[in-house]
Amino acid sequence: KAGVTQTPRYLIKTRGQQVTLSCSPISGHRSVSWYQQTPGQGLQFLFEYFSETQRNKGNFPGRFSGRQFSNSRSEMNVSTLELGDSALYLCASSLTGTRINNEQFFGPGTRLTVL
Amino acid sequence: AQKVTQAQTEISVVEKEDVTLDCVYETRDTTYYLFWYKQPPSGELVFLIRRNSFDEQNEISGRYSWNFQKSTSSFNFTITASQVVDSAVYFCALSDSSTSGGSNYKLTFGKGTLLTVNP
Repeated sequence: KAGVTQTPRYLIKTRGQQVTLSCSPISGHRSVSWYQQTPGQGLQFLFEYFSETQRNKGNFPGRFSGRQFSNSRSEMNVSTLELGDSALYLCASSLTGTRINNEQFFGPGTRLTVL
Repeated sequence: AQKVTQAQTEISVVEKEDVTLDCVYETRDTTYYLFWYKQPPSGELVFLIRRNSFDEQNEISGRYSWNFQKSTSSFNFTITASQVVDSAVYFCALSDSSTSGGSNYKLTFGKGTLLTVNP
């Protein structure tokens, strides 16, 4: 069974641009969560999608948005990039995400660098 | 509010030494789950263990063992006879109803401990 895939793996953008990251969950998984990892703040929850609906959102500005498609693939978008958005963005999938013990499987991440 | 503290930022050991990674958590809930993840240099988080708040039994898996103590709100992770391949960042994480909103799911992570095992 294929794991969680994320594309692209590396990305370089300049301030003010926007970026879209993609995540394909494990086949059959319907919940996709996104996390931002930086040296200073560590791993922080961005949002979670289930059946094309955002169910939970972390404390990030509105420049961060996402969506999920009918095949459970998810994208996250960051508009008007800032230097502080440079981070590793991790996607995680789980079967349903409806129980707090539901195990999440992480992808390799997308390394975003903002110049 | 929920919080996970990993006081050890970096640990360096020599191969075959035993090493314990500390994790202390805060939650108001009686039902919660604790996790450990390993993040090798490749970046992908690898699930190691999940433990629910009602099960304080310690667990052993090969060279890995976990000690869960509700009385001290700790969930420590020990690697016995460490190996170079154990070098990675290790994260402890918490999920409870306040973090998950009761019906969905997110993890609160500690800052991680960088473990370096030298040959």
